[in-house]
Amino acid sequence: EVQLVESGGGLVQPGGSLRLSCAASGFIFSDYYMDWVRQAPGKGLEWVGRSRNKPNSYTREYAPSVKGRFTISRDDSKNSLYLQMSSLKTEDTAVYYCIRAHEGSGWRAFDYGGQGTLVTVSS
Amino acid sequence: DIQLTQSPSFLSASVGDTVTITCRASQDISSYLAWYQQKPGKAPNLLIYAASTLQSGVPSRFSGSGSGTEFTLTISSLQPEDFATYYCQQLNNYPITFGQGTRLEIK
Repeated sequence: EVQLVESGGGLVQPGGSLRLSCAASGFIFSDYYMDWVRQAPGKGLEWVGRSRNKPNSYTREYAPSVKGRFTISRDDSKNSLYLQMSSLKTEDTAVYYCIRAHEGSGWRAFDYGGQGTLVTVSS
Repeated sequence: DIQLTQSPSFLSASVGDTVTITCRASQDISSYLAWYQQKPGKAPNLLIYAASTLQSGVPSRFSGSGSGTEFTLTISSLQPEDFATYYCQQLNNYPITFGQGTRLEIK
């Protein structure tokens, strides 16, 4: 069974930093692209960014709203994905979901997600 | 960025009804479109990928169609568990984007 478990959320002041973690199990983590998606309270879904897998050199993509402030990394030996967030703004307040992405065989989608972790940016 | 516009944003229907949600893309995205269902406090759940392919385990009352810039999600014979929010998503270009969502409520 695929499981994605996020942790590390909490309350942080504007301008501060926070690191989210995602522990993956039930699949071969190193084979997959992994993404972060967030959802502000009462709002829709927003893609945050992506880490490609080793065959694709672990390259990364980011949403314009977080580029230069957020960094995605992964440790395949620990089956873990990370999101380092810095220079946080109040508008970064959201539930952050760790997502497994399917890329290949002619289709692309997000096929599994975690339960989410809440990040609140407030003074 | 590719903008996805869903219509309607809100839909009220009864159990047993058939409903259709439309997603329009601001430019051609081929068939790299997915549909998700989201319930409160949960991650989005994949329903349809490649515009029209049903994800494994998803009931056959869900169907998708379209290509290019216009796509639809149809839910036939609505069941109580279908009342949720639905999102389309394009994965043709970065940044990956979602529609604003369609909230489906029980009439």
